Amino acid sequence: QKEVEQDPGPLSVPEGAIVSLNCTYSNSAFQYFMWYRQYSRKGPELLMYTYSSGNKEDGRFTAQVDKSSKYISLFIRDSQPSDSATYLCAMSAKTGRRALTFGSGTRLQVQP
Amino acid sequence: DTEVTQTPKHLVMGMTNKKSLKCEQHMGHRAMYWYKQKAKKPPELMFVYSYEKLSINESVPSRFSPECPNSSLLNLHLHALQPEDSALYLCASSQDTGTLDEKLFFGSGTQLSVL
Repeated sequence: QKEVEQDPGPLSVPEGAIVSLNCTYSNSAFQYFMWYRQYSRKGPELLMYTYSSGNKEDGRFTAQVDKSSKYISLFIRDSQPSDSATYLCAMSAKTGRRALTFGSGTRLQVQP
Repeated sequence: DTEVTQTPKHLVMGMTNKKSLKCEQHMGHRAMYWYKQKAKKPPELMFVYSYEKLSINESVPSRFSPECPNSSLLNLHLHALQPEDSALYLCASSQDTGTLDEKLFFGSGTQLSVL
């Protein structure tokens, strides 16, 4: 079993839709949770960063962490064609090896 | 400035060539990373430098040789690569691997093709 599971998609939605992207994880040591957006042939761009359970909002983006269920989500409101990209969840542990562990990424396509 | 700059953007090399990838950041970050990313896969960690010292080597073959000349620069020297080494090579930096706050900032990558 992978430490971090993420549906690869592709996920296709119409412009203006609410998008929900999710990851599950198995390592209870993970404390920091991130979402990266990656356009084709570009480096990942940090979108959201959260610590512990709860919600964090930034513009059209909301990150949600439920540590009891080992489940994190990224919601995108009023999705735009420019949001079409691959979204990678990433997380790191509080102790031991602290390098990021990435999910496999979900490819999102927002249709105009 | 939240930019990590990588050069070149594209590189084609033969299996007997020697080339180098370069990375630069001016955010005052003390940790720098090399990742390798194959198409439709997540980035895979190769090396981590913390305060200019190599702190993590993920059992990377010796044909990849990292170098950190100073806190702003990171190089990856390539020699005798194989076609399966073709990938997007990403450089990243973060404030400090000694803290728990590991927000990584990535460069745009070097798309490497080995013929």
